[in-house]
Amino acid sequence: SQKIEQNSEALNIQEGKTATLTCNYTNYSPAYLQWYRQDPGRGPVFLLLIRENEKEKRKERLKVTFDTTLKQSLFHITASQPADSATYLCALDAGLADKLIFGTGTRLQVFP
Amino acid sequence: DAGVIQSPRHEVTEMGQEVTLRCKPISGHNSLFWYRQTMMRGLELLIYFNNNVPIDDSGMPEDRFSAKMPNASFSTLKIQPSEPRDSAVYFCASSFSTGFNEQFFGPGTRLTVL
Repeated sequence: SQKIEQNSEALNIQEGKTATLTCNYTNYSPAYLQWYRQDPGRGPVFLLLIRENEKEKRKERLKVTFDTTLKQSLFHITASQPADSATYLCALDAGLADKLIFGTGTRLQVFP
Repeated sequence: DAGVIQSPRHEVTEMGQEVTLRCKPISGHNSLFWYRQTMMRGLELLIYFNNNVPIDDSGMPEDRFSAKMPNASFSTLKIQPSEPRDSAVYFCASSFSTGFNEQFFGPGTRLTVL
């Protein structure tokens, strides 16, 4: 069955550094992948979508890569700020219309 | 637009009671999703509807769970009878179905079954 793995432990980085989060998947070849941000007590919020034929996507300080050979996506936040502290979820197309399969998320903590 | 609306925001009930969670999707969206989130299992899709029709309910844990979407602006998720292991945060999300679109999540309902 499809399996998605994200860094299970929290990622702690210093303000101004680049945060890199990993999403690995197995037993599947998704047509696209999405990244969401979730703050405590709130629902996930969409950040970026990248398709299987795209290597990289950027949006302001965010960058996502998609390596279908390695079956991996990397999510980068450059010049990180304490306000970037949240849990980040990757979600893969499940091959059925709009269905997504979510990873368990990585908690990012940016300290001053 | 007010976004996806869920009610109640918090629900505390006793084991064996019926629980009904409600969702109003964003106007114009034609796909609706119910998720459950726990620390142990993360965000799990329970069921999703497209144009008010259930498309995939393979994530519904058992017969105690049921979901309906009587019209494009309202959906319910019912648990009867509830059990302590159903305690979780339940999210509703909606999207405009094109196969690639983002999902918009509601604030969630935190359910505690004692």
